[in-house]
Amino acid sequence: RKEVEQDPGPFNVPEGATVAFNCTYSNSASQSFFWYRQDCRKEPKLLMSVYSSGNEDGRFTAQLNRASQYISLLIRDSKLSDSATYLCVVNLEAGKFQFGAGTQVVVTP
Amino acid sequence: NAGVMQNPRHLVRRRGQEARLRCSPMKGHSHVYWYRQLPEEGLKFMVYLQKENIIDESGMPKERFSAEFPKEGPSILRIQQVVRGDSAAYFCASSRSANQPQHFGDGTRLSIL
Repeated sequence: RKEVEQDPGPFNVPEGATVAFNCTYSNSASQSFFWYRQDCRKEPKLLMSVYSSGNEDGRFTAQLNRASQYISLLIRDSKLSDSATYLCVVNLEAGKFQFGAGTQVVVTP
Repeated sequence: NAGVMQNPRHLVRRRGQEARLRCSPMKGHSHVYWYRQLPEEGLKFMVYLQKENIIDESGMPKERFSAEFPKEGPSILRIQQVVRGDSAAYFCASSRSANQPQHFGDGTRLSIL
């Protein structure tokens, strides 16, 4: 089993709709979690950090479920510019980060 | 505040040559990470360094690849005797501490002829 697993998608979302997807992790001792977005052939950009039960930033909400060992990302009122690959990152221990393979989101007009 | 600076943005080498990739972390960041990404694939961890120390090199190929982060100057990822399979995007990231989120540079696209 992979340490961090994501549904690769693509999630095809009409503009204005809501989309949500999960990331599961295997190491129960994982300390902190992050969501990044990566546009085609560009560098990953930090979207949000998830240290406790969850975090909200505008149209984006991340939630952490430690009992079931997953984090989720929800995007409300999707914009065309939200089309990207969303990477889940788990901080296993100091200096050790595990990246998921990413979930592709395609927002359509 | 300047972000993570990587250079060159694009690097072309012939098989057998050496490639040197540079990364200057964000101001105040002393932790540097190198990743490799092949087309249509995810990021693969290579090495984690702090100033003058390699902390984790579990993702580095055993041969031809080396990394350093000297007391002064940028972190360097060095690939000796490059082969076609080394063609990839190489991303550097830095963080303020070992548990803080990483911030990425623009990457170096390495092409081997």
